[in-house]
Amino acid sequence: TQLLEQSPQFLSIQEGENLTVYCNSSSVFSSLQWYRQEPGEGPVLLVTVVTGGEVKKLKRLTFQFGDARKDSSLHITAAQPGDTGLYLCAAFYGQNFVFGPGTRLSALP
Amino acid sequence: GAVVSQHPSWVICKSGTSVKIECRSLDFQATTMFWYRQFPKQSLMLMATSNEGSKATYEQGVEKDKFLINHASLTLSTLTVTSAHPEDSSFYICSAARGVGEQYFGPGTRLTVT
Repeated sequence: TQLLEQSPQFLSIQEGENLTVYCNSSSVFSSLQWYRQEPGEGPVLLVTVVTGGEVKKLKRLTFQFGDARKDSSLHITAAQPGDTGLYLCAAFYGQNFVFGPGTRLSALP
Repeated sequence: GAVVSQHPSWVICKSGTSVKIECRSLDFQATTMFWYRQFPKQSLMLMATSNEGSKATYEQGVEKDKFLINHASLTLSTLTVTSAHPEDSSFYICSAARGVGEQYFGPGTRLTVT
């Protein structure tokens, strides 16, 4: 069983559409991070959320940390082809940094 | 700031040979670095945690004698794949921890064993 679950696993949308991807766990985390990874490259940190209920915005991306700090969501407004990639949530569990399985997004022109 | 480099970015080697991959934190010191492996279309799998000046901690199922990790300084960790075989072909990614909860990733090294 994965410590972090992500849904959906795959998502294909048209340019201009909105979308939300989710990261869920039964565990409580002190912080949670979202990354985007493009093929052949390492993950790039998008945001770190720390406080339960926190909402952070990064241009067209809106991140929310659940009140109980067990889940998080990433909402993209008016998706663009450049948003295509693997979106990973991750968190420290003990001394290890754990990744979710990722959501693979394809934003088509 | 918070730049992590890896070298080489890709390498092809013959079965039975050893390959060393370097991970450097360029503008900060990292007491802890992590090594991950990623198969196509899958998420990152933690292989080991590398602590400067001490032995690495390996995840269950990762052979420490096959994947040798050395973290000799606060800016450099190396992963050596010994006696590589085709099944070791993968994308290897390192990361360096800066502060609590902050982790920055290298660009990855694609290893192909023929």
